[in-house]
Formats: sequence, structure tokens, C-alpha cells
Amino acid sequence: GAVVSQHPSWVICKSGTSVKIECRSLDFQATTMFWYRQFPKQSLMLMATSNEGSKATYEQGVEKDKFLINHASLTLSTLTVTSAHPEDSSFYICSARARGLDRQFFGPGTRLTVL
Amino acid sequence: AQSVTQLGSHVSVSEGALVLLRCNYSSSVPPYLFWYVQYPNQGLQLLLKYTSAATLVKGINGFEAEFKKSETSFHLTKPSAHMSDAAEYFCAVSGGGAGGTSYGKLTFGQGTILTVHP
Repeated sequence: GAVVSQHPSWVICKSGTSVKIECRSLDFQATTMFWYRQFPKQSLMLMATSNEGSKATYEQGVEKDKFLINHASLTLSTLTVTSAHPEDSSFYICSARARGLDRQFFGPGTRLTVL
Repeated sequence: AQSVTQLGSHVSVSEGALVLLRCNYSSSVPPYLFWYVQYPNQGLQLLLKYTSAATLVKGINGFEAEFKKSETSFHLTKPSAHMSDAAEYFCAVSGGGAGGTSYGKLTFGQGTILTVHP
């Protein structure tokens, strides 16, 4: 089956620093990637949708200048949390979808802790 | 616009008992519906999906769900619970049936934590 990986699986950083999270589709070409955020004991909330080679579409309330998304190739998307603060601590999950498919394949998630 | 409501944030059953996790949805376009399972500190695994074919959908690990348009429901069931079924379950809707701006975008319910007692 299709595999999506995320790196790193967990990261701890100081307030004010930037953190980059990678999402890779290992055995298929992902024309669309999605980034979700999940706070403890809550559901997944879609942050943004990115299509290869074009700018990401952000959901309402998500700061595009704070959460920079780059979908540089058909197998890689990155999420950069800029000037991270403790309230950005969360579980970030990406998913990938190939053209024409009606399902997404989820990565294992990245736990971000901002001190 | 689409939304999902999962009734019951916690469900507890005995091993061998019926599992029933409830999900109701609303969607302005014909929906695609999904059930995912999440184990602690892991990503989501797809259990099953409905994409406008048969209304009774069978998934992995013995789970199944029935799409009922008149009730706008997509409840998840399993005849006999196993200890390994203990996890959090998410129902999700996507406006995939008619494309448009909601195509591929998943909206998740609040999640239901399933506990299985010996």
C-alpha cells in the first residue's frame, strides 16, 4: 500500500525558532498534500491544502505567514512553523493523495513541543 | 459546507460484545464518508470508506459501516470487540462525489475513544 512518511517524528524547540517538518510519499506521486493539526484530545483540523507547483490554500484562521508550506515536488511537501511559540505545540499530520484517487494516505505525524 | 458529528466521545464495551460508533454528517454535495482509527502517537489508518457504491461497506479488522442517506448517518459496527480494537476512531466526510472546492478536503468528527474491557 501507499506509504507516507514524516520527519522528524518529534521535535522540541525554543520559543522564537523555526521548525521544518517534511512529508514524503514514498511509493506514489502525490499531486495534493494536506496538513492537519491535532491538539490533545481533539480532532484533526485541516490547516492547508497544497498542490504540486502551486501555492498552498489555507483554511480560515490559519496564518499563512506563520505556517509556510512548500510542495516542491510530487513526493515532498514541507511545513515550516516560523517563530514558534508554546501555543503552536501540537501534533502535525500530513496526508497525500494521488491524482484521481478518492482517499488520502496519512503520515505518522510529528509532535512539536515549543518551550 | 460539510460537518460531522460523532455521538459519544467515549464508548466502553466488553470483549466479544457488539461495537457501535455513531456518526452523522451534513454535506451540501453527495458525500464520500470515511472511518479512520488512530492509535496513540500514530497517524490515521483507514478502516473503510463509502464512495457512492454499495451502501454497506466492509472494512479491515471486521468493521463495517452502513450509509443511510435518509438518516444522514454512517455508523461503524463490529460484531465482536477485541482488546486490540481499543483506540480512537474518527468519522470524516469529503465532498468528493461532485467535485468542486470541497473535493478531497476531509472534515473530521470529534473522535470516539473505544475502550474494550476483558
